[in-house]
Amino acid sequence: QVQLVQSGAEVKKPGASVKVSCKVSGYTLTELSMHWVRQAPGKGLEWMGGFDPEDGETIYAQKFQGRVTMTEDTSTDTAYMELSSLRSEDTAVYYCATDSSSGFDYWGQGTLVTVSS
Amino acid sequence: EIVMTQSPATLSVSPGERATLSCRASQSVSSNLAWYQQKPGQAPRLLIYGASTRATGIPARFSGSGSGTEFTLTISSLQSEDFAVYYCQQYNNWPPRTFGQGTKVEIK
Repeated sequence: QVQLVQSGAEVKKPGASVKVSCKVSGYTLTELSMHWVRQAPGKGLEWMGGFDPEDGETIYAQKFQGRVTMTEDTSTDTAYMELSSLRSEDTAVYYCATDSSSGFDYWGQGTLVTVSS
Repeated sequence: EIVMTQSPATLSVSPGERATLSCRASQSVSSNLAWYQQKPGQAPRLLIYGASTRATGIPARFSGSGSGTEFTLTISSLQSEDFAVYYCQQYNNWPPRTFGQGTKVEIK
């Protein structure tokens, strides 16, 4: 059974960066394909990017290209999502989720990132 | 980019009744479609993948159908714990892994 535990809530000023972590247990990170999804308050789910095992690369949604970086530390089985140049519209709950290649089968609990001056 | 459109936005149903939710893709996604349930304050939960296969632990009252561009999620007899928001997502052609905008199932 995969468990994903995310880091705590963050408050950031516009223009700053945030780095959210997602600690994996039950499996090793190398066995999983990790994706990130966000959800603005009262809004739907928005895919940000994730690992494509077919070509071994991380693919980002065009909307976030140049602003998002997804990395992994296999020594600690922790995935990270860093979003830079934050603006108020980036206020959202950020989720990590594992891809079974047939949908996102395990999700972290979510991390609220608030961008406010 | 494939656009996923869900209807209706809100569905009012009485407990015990049947709920039918629709999801349409802007181009064929074959059967590469998943459904998720999200309750307030919780992460989404995978319900259905491959358009019609229930994920582990999902009750039989949830069923999915369709292929190509038209998909349906049916909840045969709504229980109190089923009132939530439901999202479809295609994984046939990505990026991006697009979600629909969601259907809220509320108590009538």
